[in-house]
Amino acid sequence: RKEVEQDPGPFNVPEGATVAFNCTYSNSASQSFFWYRQDCRKEPKLLMSVYSSGNEDGRFTAQLNRASQYISLLIRDSKLSDSATYLCVVRRNDYKLSFGAGTTVTVRA
Amino acid sequence: DAGVIQSPRHEVTEMGQEVTLRCKPISGHDYLFWYRQTMMRGLELLIYFNNNVPIDDSGMPEDRFSAKMPNASFSTLKIQPSEPRDSAVYFCASSSGTSGRIGEQFFGPGTRLTVL
Repeated sequence: RKEVEQDPGPFNVPEGATVAFNCTYSNSASQSFFWYRQDCRKEPKLLMSVYSSGNEDGRFTAQLNRASQYISLLIRDSKLSDSATYLCVVRRNDYKLSFGAGTTVTVRA
Repeated sequence: DAGVIQSPRHEVTEMGQEVTLRCKPISGHDYLFWYRQTMMRGLELLIYFNNNVPIDDSGMPEDRFSAKMPNASFSTLKIQPSEPRDSAVYFCASSSGTSGRIGEQFFGPGTRLTVL
């Protein structure tokens, strides 16, 4: 079983729509959680850290459910520039990050 | 402020040749990571360093792969001999342990390696 599993999508949504997707992780000892964004043929970039109480950064909201071992990301008022692959990332009690395979989001005009 | 710098950006080589990938981390970062990304396997951690010392190389696929970090501003990943299945994008990333934000890694632009 992979350490981090994501729905690969693609999620194809119109501009202005809300899109949400989850990822699950297998290691209950995981310490920290993140969402990274990767554009086509570019490097991954940190989008946001995920805190246990849930957190918002502008149009992006992340939630963590430790009991069920899943993390979610919600994007409100989607923009064309939100089209990307979103990587769910988990850090255990060492310094290694485990990356999910990514969820592809395409926002259409 | 310069981010993580990698060179070359593209490398095409023939099977059996030696390949050396280079990375300059962000100044002041004490952690450096080498990753490989393919369509089939996604993003995989190969090795990481803390203060120039290799901490975990369990992700290095074979003895053909080696990595060094002779100083805080430079690291290399070497493949010798290269094989077609090594074709991938290789990313270097760095982060600051002292900030307590190890998970916030900054990636370089990657080296796209093609082994013919």
